[in-house]
Amino acid sequence: DIQMTQSPSSLSASVGDRVTITCQASQDISNYLNWYQQKPGKAPKLLIYDASNLETGVPSRFSGSGSGTDFTFTISSLQPEDIATYYCQQYDNLPAFGPGTKVDIK
Amino acid sequence: QVQLQESGPGLVKPSQTLSLTCTVSGGSISSGDYYWSWIRQPPGKGLEWIGYIYYSGSTYYNPSLKSRVTISVDTSKNQFSLKLSSVTAADTAVYYCARDRYCSGGSCYDYWGQGTLVTVSS
Repeated sequence: DIQMTQSPSSLSASVGDRVTITCQASQDISNYLNWYQQKPGKAPKLLIYDASNLETGVPSRFSGSGSGTDFTFTISSLQPEDIATYYCQQYDNLPAFGPGTKVDIK
Repeated sequence: QVQLQESGPGLVKPSQTLSLTCTVSGGSISSGDYYWSWIRQPPGKGLEWIGYIYYSGSTYYNPSLKSRVTISVDTSKNQFSLKLSSVTAADTAVYYCARDRYCSGGSCYDYWGQGTLVTVSS
């Protein structure tokens, strides 16, 4: 099975900061990677699919890039409502989520 | 607007079977355009995919749970269900149902239920 790692596991940043999260796969997964946002007590929300495609209705400050084994998720200007845990998810022969990155405000 | 809603007991005794149902509104399971999944999240932990079902009844399960999982569909009620047998405390989690629209790279969950906490305890 493909293993996913995310870094950092948590971060604190100021409103307006650029925030970057990385996700690494243990083997090549092409662009088969999605990103989700989960706020406390809520279900995850799909933000980015196929590594770089913005889901309909998601603010443009969110973006994704990468292919192969290394992927990046970016919030260009952190907003208070972005406080959440972010998960990457890959599909190999079965879906699997990364361990998550908790983002809060400094 | 598609909505999914989980229902079922919030407390299950060890060794018994956990049973949950997901009711879909705003869209038809029978459309054949999507897969329908169960995903769980132990308290304070990450997300684990359990399995999915297609409207035809074909299923695919996480190998780590396959021996204990059954997912079924009732297209007449626009529902799909999860049964997890021989539960232990390790199965305590928030259980989500989700729609998988199968993006080009594979599974991609665009609509989720609100989640239901199932506690395994005597």
